[in-house]
Amino acid sequence: SQQGEEDPQALSIQEGENATMNCSYKTSINNLQWYRQNSGRGLVHLILIRSNEREKHSGRLRVTLDTSKKSSSLLITASRAADTASYFCATDPTGNQFYFGTGTSLTVIP
Amino acid sequence: EAGVAQSPRYKIIEKRQSVAFWCNPISGHATLYWYQQILGQGPKLLIQFQNNGVVDDSQLPKDRFSAERLKGVDSTLKIQPAKLEDSAVYLCASSLNPGGPTQYFGAGTRLSVL
Repeated sequence: SQQGEEDPQALSIQEGENATMNCSYKTSINNLQWYRQNSGRGLVHLILIRSNEREKHSGRLRVTLDTSKKSSSLLITASRAADTASYFCATDPTGNQFYFGTGTSLTVIP
Repeated sequence: EAGVAQSPRYKIIEKRQSVAFWCNPISGHATLYWYQQILGQGPKLLIQFQNNGVVDDSQLPKDRFSAERLKGVDSTLKIQPAKLEDSAVYLCASSLNPGGPTQYFGAGTRLSVL
């Protein structure tokens, strides 16, 4: 399977803390994306990092990519209750299709 | 701009019955995707359209699933006959071009097969 795997499967933190989740994948990629899914909703695109980039920021989000280890991490700083959701990484080995990971379920406790 | 529209939001059927889902992508988006998301898992691509042509349907169970995008705009996904293991959320997404890179998702249709 070309699907990525997120780690941990579930994460529970207090509001204001930072949340870190990781994604490992199996094949070389063109880019890697992170998506958020609130309960009962569709996925929302958060950030894209290209294979020649090592780090990217967007607001309270920081994504790193290590192509030698085939892994990426998503850091959410100063978490809020509204960040409670499932987070998925998606890779596109062919540049034309996306393969989603199994997701990390994040709970932020107010 | 309007998002990806899907209907119905929920559907309950008995096994061996048929069901159809509808998706209207964002205007101007040439690429349309159907995903199946089983509870606790990530979305799995079923079929990808570029305009009204199929780019990839390698993971579509063609003995029971079919999809069409006749005019290159909206799309229908059908299951006939449904099995218990088809219970899932069916997500439609669209992107401007193949490989997006950004996909925009609809809210999904939650199917329960009893």
